[in-house]
Amino acid sequence: DTAVSQTPKYLVTQMGNDKSIKCEQNLGHDTMYWYKQDSKKFLKIMFSYNNKELIINETVPNRFSPKSPDKAHLNLHINSLELGDSAVYFCASSQDTSGGGDTQYFGPGTRLTVL
Amino acid sequence: GQNIDQPTEMTATEGAIVQINCTYQTSGFNGLFWYQQHAGEAPTFLSYNVLDGLEEKGRFSSFLSRSKGYSYLLLKELQMKDSASYLCAVTRYGGSQGNLIFGKGTKLSVKP
Repeated sequence: DTAVSQTPKYLVTQMGNDKSIKCEQNLGHDTMYWYKQDSKKFLKIMFSYNNKELIINETVPNRFSPKSPDKAHLNLHINSLELGDSAVYFCASSQDTSGGGDTQYFGPGTRLTVL
Repeated sequence: GQNIDQPTEMTATEGAIVQINCTYQTSGFNGLFWYQQHAGEAPTFLSYNVLDGLEEKGRFSSFLSRSKGYSYLLLKELQMKDSASYLCAVTRYGGSQGNLIFGKGTKLSVKP
């Protein structure tokens, strides 16, 4: 059984398009995250979200918006895609953020290529 | 701000022991994670340290010194499958306390 799943696995699109990446977790976790891993393999937090609070990394452009239809899903919408958005995007989940010590489980990643 | 440093690359021999160091400077430090990431795959959890000292888990051990802002991951009896990137990540108290702040990772190559 897949704990954290993402679709699509690969996404190739043109500059200026709007796209979405879906994430689902079946672990019953309260908190979900989106990370971006660039070409140098540097993994950086974009958002964390639970049913109470959305925390946005201040460096993330407002073209990126997370949307959570329910506790098990956190989708990532990207408007007006730019070349620099090309990266691997990882979704993750954890039981809770309290204390900051909960293990995060990562999805398989979505490789986004913007042409 | 925060700063997390780890070596970019390391090479070791199958069967040997390797130590991957991580130093950090961050306000509101809470705890430190180590993740393993094979090429083209997702990061997977290895260890979590919040108190000073050594945590042992099979062939892998992780050490933390909060006063020195220092951690290491120790891999024993290296196997070829241990070739991967090892990511040091810290968590902080405060509004974003669940968020992992990653270092740039150490790419370990295990050779026969």
